[in-house]
Amino acid sequence: QVQLQESGPGLVKSSGTLSLTCAVSGDSMSSRWTWVRQPPGKGLEWIGEIYHSARTNYNPSLKSRVTISVDESRNHFSLKLDSVTAADTAVYYCARLSSFLEADYYYYALDVWGQGTTVTVS
Amino acid sequence: SSELTQDPAVSVALGQTVRITCQGDSLRSYSASWYQQKPGQAPILVIYGDNDRPSGIPDRFSGSNSGNTASLTITGAQAEDGADYYCHSRDNSGDRWVFGGGTKLTVL
Repeated sequence: QVQLQESGPGLVKSSGTLSLTCAVSGDSMSSRWTWVRQPPGKGLEWIGEIYHSARTNYNPSLKSRVTISVDESRNHFSLKLDSVTAADTAVYYCARLSSFLEADYYYYALDVWGQGTTVTVS
Repeated sequence: SSELTQDPAVSVALGQTVRITCQGDSLRSYSASWYQQKPGQAPILVIYGDNDRPSGIPDRFSGSNSGNTASLTITGAQAEDGADYYCHSRDNSGDRWVFGGGTKLTVL
């Protein structure tokens, strides 16, 4: 059974860097990995993804500040968000994007999620 | 603003059928997945590939996609189905992903 667990500081100073790690158990790092966040009382926001261990895609609104990387030796992937402000206060989730092959077509979905970790910027 | 648009809130009487919609141009080319989120919990996948259910999801949940609209239908809504629901698909560029704004479902 695949499990994901986020970890990192719960409090980050404004203008500093938010750094989170997602520990993966039950799967290899060759899968496709995603970060999602949810500000208090608001909806889900896709932050970005990493796949093939090095290819990344980022939300255009965050692209200048975000870096996602994989550490295969430790079986985890990480999120760094620079120059944070109060607007970056949120619950941060890591998730696996899986592909499902049906009738020669691949469908994608976030089938495994971490429990989430709250990060407050002050 | 999100490239996928959802109604903010929908209500349904216990045991009745409700449809939650998600609109966006990218849905003409890409499938949608749907997630249920209850307060204080991580989202869970309920529908993928427009109309497939992961194991463990009740068959009262179904999906469809036509034109620029994806839909999640709950047939015979139960009290425990009250939650926030989010659609997810590729964005208009096809290179990135996006969530809809979410729909709060109240079961009356």
